[in-house]
Amino acid sequence: GAVVSQHPSRVICKSGTSVKIECRSLDFQATTMFWYRQFPKQSLMLMATSNEGSKATYEQGVEKDKFLINHASLTLSTLTVTSAHPEDSSFYICSARDNGVRGYTFGSGTRLTVV
Amino acid sequence: AQTVTQSQPEMSVQEAETVTLSCTYDTSESDYYLFWYKQPPSRQMILVIRQEAYKQQNATENRFSVNFQKAAKSFSLKISDSQLGDAAMYFCAYRSTGNTPLVFGKGTRLSVIA
Repeated sequence: GAVVSQHPSRVICKSGTSVKIECRSLDFQATTMFWYRQFPKQSLMLMATSNEGSKATYEQGVEKDKFLINHASLTLSTLTVTSAHPEDSSFYICSARDNGVRGYTFGSGTRLTVV
Repeated sequence: AQTVTQSQPEMSVQEAETVTLSCTYDTSESDYYLFWYKQPPSRQMILVIRQEAYKQQNATENRFSVNFQKAAKSFSLKISDSQLGDAAMYFCAYRSTGNTPLVFGKGTRLSVIA
């Protein structure tokens, strides 16, 4: 079945540094990827929609200069958290449409802790 | 904009019993998709079941079935013969047609009691 590989699974970084999260579709081409953020015991909130070869579309309230999304190929989308602050600590999950019966495949998520 | 409401923050069920999780949604669209996802402690999102709005027949996947009431905009999940491994967070989700994102409800935490 369709698989989305997300790395790293867990990262700790210092305030002010940048962190890159990668999502790679392993056996299908993902023209569109979605990035979600999930706070503890809460639901998934859409941050942005990433389309291959074009600029990402950000949801209202999401700072595009802080959360840089790049979707340069049909199999890879990256989310870079720039100048990270403790309030950016969260669980980030990507999802891609695989055009199969199941429709959407999720990465395994990245737990980001900013200290 | 579409919204998804799960009114039960927590539910519990005895092992081998049946439990129903509620979900309602709001949309002006006539064609869309509905999903139930399971999120265990690992936080991996696992698709439990999906329903196309144009299909009148309720979807079924082994012990999991839905009661889809389009007019009432209701989409409940029934888990039969509950197992310990069913304990997780369950999210109801909506998606429009095309390359659109999933819209999630707030989730229901299901506990299974041995």
